[in-house]
Amino acid sequence: EVQLLESGGGLVQPGGSLRLSCAASGFTFSSSGMSWVRQAPGKGLEWVSTIRGSDRSTYYADSVKGRFTISRDNSKNTLYLQMNSLRAEDTAVYYCAKDLYGDSGYHDCWGQGTLVTVSS
Amino acid sequence: QSALTQPRSVSGSPGQSVTISCTGTSSDVGGYNYVSWYQQHPGKAPKLMIYDVSKRPSGVPDRFSGSKSGNTASLTISGLQAEDEADYYCCSYAGSRWVFGGGTKLTVL
Repeated sequence: EVQLLESGGGLVQPGGSLRLSCAASGFTFSSSGMSWVRQAPGKGLEWVSTIRGSDRSTYYADSVKGRFTISRDNSKNTLYLQMNSLRAEDTAVYYCAKDLYGDSGYHDCWGQGTLVTVSS
Repeated sequence: QSALTQPRSVSGSPGQSVTISCTGTSSDVGGYNYVSWYQQHPGKAPKLMIYDVSKRPSGVPDRFSGSKSGNTASLTISGLQAEDEADYYCCSYAGSRWVFGGGTKLTVL
């Protein structure tokens, strides 16, 4: 069974940092594209970042570029999102998601989400 | 990075069909055949319903279908059922990034 389990969310002050983790199991993690998608309270989905499985290329939304870094440790089947210079508008539930196949960009499995709250 | 445009809400009675539109530009929806649709029930993670404009992942009922014309993609749900009541989001590749629609709340009357 495919499982994704996020952790690392919490309350952080504006300007602070946080690292999210997503532990994966049940599929060949190393060959799967992975992404972070967030959802602010009561709002819609927003793509945040993607890392390809084939060559580890990374992609970011303009809203987080230069502040967030996506990475993966294939030996630990774990996806990360390092978030720096956090702003109030980064407050959201952060989901990690795996690609349907290869680096398709379509997400067929999502974690339960981890809440990040940026507030003083 | 503007979100794709979806109607805020649509509704239909059980057994009827509804269509949700998703309008973008030639830089996203119109430029690539990489459109997907997600269903999200309250408090739950999204679920992939359609990918590559019109393909259904394994396990998704054939009541769900997708199409695209120009800069607008559409999701049609036929034979509406109570469990279809949810939020629906379109998503399109936009050249090294992905963009979601604002979401549509489907109410089954």
